[in-house]
Amino acid sequence: DTEVTQTPKHLVMGMTNKKSLKCEQHMGHRAMYWYKQKAKKPPELMFVYSYEKLSINESVPSRFSPECPNSSLLNLHLHALQPEDSALYLCASSPLLGGKKPYEQYFGPGTRLTVT
Amino acid sequence: GIQVEQSPPDLILQEGANSTLRCNFSDSVNNLQWFHQNPWGQLINLFYIPSGTKQNGRLSATTVATERYSLLYISSSQTTDSGVYFCAVGFSGSRLTFGEGTQLTVNP
Repeated sequence: DTEVTQTPKHLVMGMTNKKSLKCEQHMGHRAMYWYKQKAKKPPELMFVYSYEKLSINESVPSRFSPECPNSSLLNLHLHALQPEDSALYLCASSPLLGGKKPYEQYFGPGTRLTVT
Repeated sequence: GIQVEQSPPDLILQEGANSTLRCNFSDSVNNLQWFHQNPWGQLINLFYIPSGTKQNGRLSATTVATERYSLLYISSSQTTDSGVYFCAVGFSGSRLTFGEGTQLTVNP
């Protein structure tokens, strides 16, 4: 099973709302990632969690707050977003532990976020 | 940081044609992945290929790490092959840097 799931598929929120995106994997992977993708552009890395600890924050504004409650779950808490934050948010995971492909990343289907 | 360049940016084919997509990168890598992004946004893993050659059905890929490039070959293209093809590389730990992608359109 190489599946990463994300909920919700679509989200519309106002600039004063607070919402959360959820990502889950049951492959035993120990790294999880959040990416942001604007239309006709490649994914851009936002955060990396390795062994449930935040290891990379690509200078993301504090209105985006990641959380890794356990090795299978990754959340992205959103508050006071701006219309320019509208994008596809992708979650990914990779094994890290041994094997031939420790850094191979598997992506979820994404959440399409619209900020009004 | 590492630079990744993909070519061509756009490619239009008739069904049944063959194509080659290229990815150049600026530094040594320990991770190179090819992805297909379908119209719904899903990134599908095609190959994990930091070096060597692999084949999967009508698709194959070759990475020449010493010359810092990778090629993705698509043979007998089908309309379902349409979408964006991304090359992504990593040289330290788990960070991946994506190229700008190749937009492939296969017409019936």
